[in-house]
Amino acid sequence: GDSVTQMEGPVTLSEEAFLTINCTYTATGYPSLFWYVQYPGEGLQLLLKATKADDKGSNKGFEATYRKETTSFHLEKGSVQVSDSAVYFCARSPYNQGGKLIFGQGTELSVKP
Amino acid sequence: SQTIHQWPATLVQPVGSPLSLECTVEGTSNPNLYWYRQAAGRGLQLLFYSVGIGQISSEVPQNLSASRPQDRQFILSSKKLLLSDSGFYLCAWSAWTGLNTEAFFGQGTRLTVV
Repeated sequence: GDSVTQMEGPVTLSEEAFLTINCTYTATGYPSLFWYVQYPGEGLQLLLKATKADDKGSNKGFEATYRKETTSFHLEKGSVQVSDSAVYFCARSPYNQGGKLIFGQGTELSVKP
Repeated sequence: SQTIHQWPATLVQPVGSPLSLECTVEGTSNPNLYWYRQAAGRGLQLLFYSVGIGQISSEVPQNLSASRPQDRQFILSSKKLLLSDSGFYLCAWSAWTGLNTEAFFGQGTRLTVV
């Protein structure tokens, strides 16, 4: 079945370091791709999304590009802040069914001052 | 604007007791509604989704059930809780139509079965 695989954490970075969290997905159909963020004790918030090949989602300095040839949707940020400490989830959904999500395992990010 | 409310925030229940978690959405009509579970150390898994009143689809076999008695109300229930039902339960909604739909999540309920 469909799946999403993301790099395991925890990831610990110093403030202003470059961040990459890898994510790959199964290529069945034409999925939409998402990154969600979960701050401690809270629900999930959509960070960014992309709905077709070569689309780039971006928000709050984070970016991810929908790469069909490598079935990847890696999350990047040029300079992380302490406030970015959270758990990040990569997810896919069938096209135009954005609520039926298949999530990766989540990657915990800890940013130290 | 649309909002989603989920309660309670935390719950400790004994094994064998019943469960009822409620979720309501405001500011939209005919939303698609979802229940997800995040077990300890694991990712999120879709449990149920609903495209309309009384219409429930189950994604995985389990000890839980869901109901949608009103357009913007979604309830997760169990008659007898198991230890394995412990986890973080998230309700979500998405628009029923349109391109590029995305899910909006509630704050979650942390359930501990003891």
